[in-house]
Amino acid sequence: AQKITQTQPGMFVQEKEAVTLDCTYDTSDPSYGLFWYKQPSSGEMIFLIYQGSYDQQNATEGRYSLNFQKARKSANLVISASQLGDSAMYFCAMREGLYSSYKLIFGSGTRLLVRP
Amino acid sequence: ETGVTQSPTHLIKTRGQQVTLRCSSQSGHNTVSWYQQALGQGPQFIFQYYREEENGRGNFPPRFSGLQFPNYSSELNVNALELDDSALYLCASSKEEDPGTGQSYEQYFGPGTRLTVT
Repeated sequence: AQKITQTQPGMFVQEKEAVTLDCTYDTSDPSYGLFWYKQPSSGEMIFLIYQGSYDQQNATEGRYSLNFQKARKSANLVISASQLGDSAMYFCAMREGLYSSYKLIFGSGTRLLVRP
Repeated sequence: ETGVTQSPTHLIKTRGQQVTLRCSSQSGHNTVSWYQQALGQGPQFIFQYYREEENGRGNFPPRFSGLQFPNYSSELNVNALELDDSALYLCASSKEEDPGTGQSYEQYFGPGTRLTVT
């Protein structure tokens, strides 16, 4: 069965520093997609970055990068140059299959607090 | 903002009552998914609608039902409300195309409806 594990309930980072949020996953499907979403206190889930299981390079989107280690089944999110506005809940999610928007399986999330 | 809207923003209901939550998908999107997010947890998939048909369902009882309309907007109905139904309900829209296009389909989430059952 699919599973996403986020082992860090909460993280602190100093403004302008980089931070890594951990995510491990479990699936028997060779085709899958991995996502990171940000959820501020307003509740809306904001898409950050996507990595497909066959992608050769790690995904990057501005200050966000995904450290994809397929053999270890990990998909850690790296946020560079943290900003105060990055304080939020962060969720790692997975779907089986590459070409469908079918259901996402979410982890339990990591609350990130950026200190000034 | 994603262009996905949900109503109402907040709702308080009594145990045993019925509730209807609404979602308008982003323009051009033909698929709507609903998720339940209990406090302190990640969202859990309820079901998905594609072209007005249910396209898959998570581990939720039949008292959770839905509809998708020709304009691709959607409703989530919950009958016989229980205290554990208190949660943030998120709607997400996406665009389904033929498989093999090589594209990833992101789900764009709305701001959610916070339901409290007393």
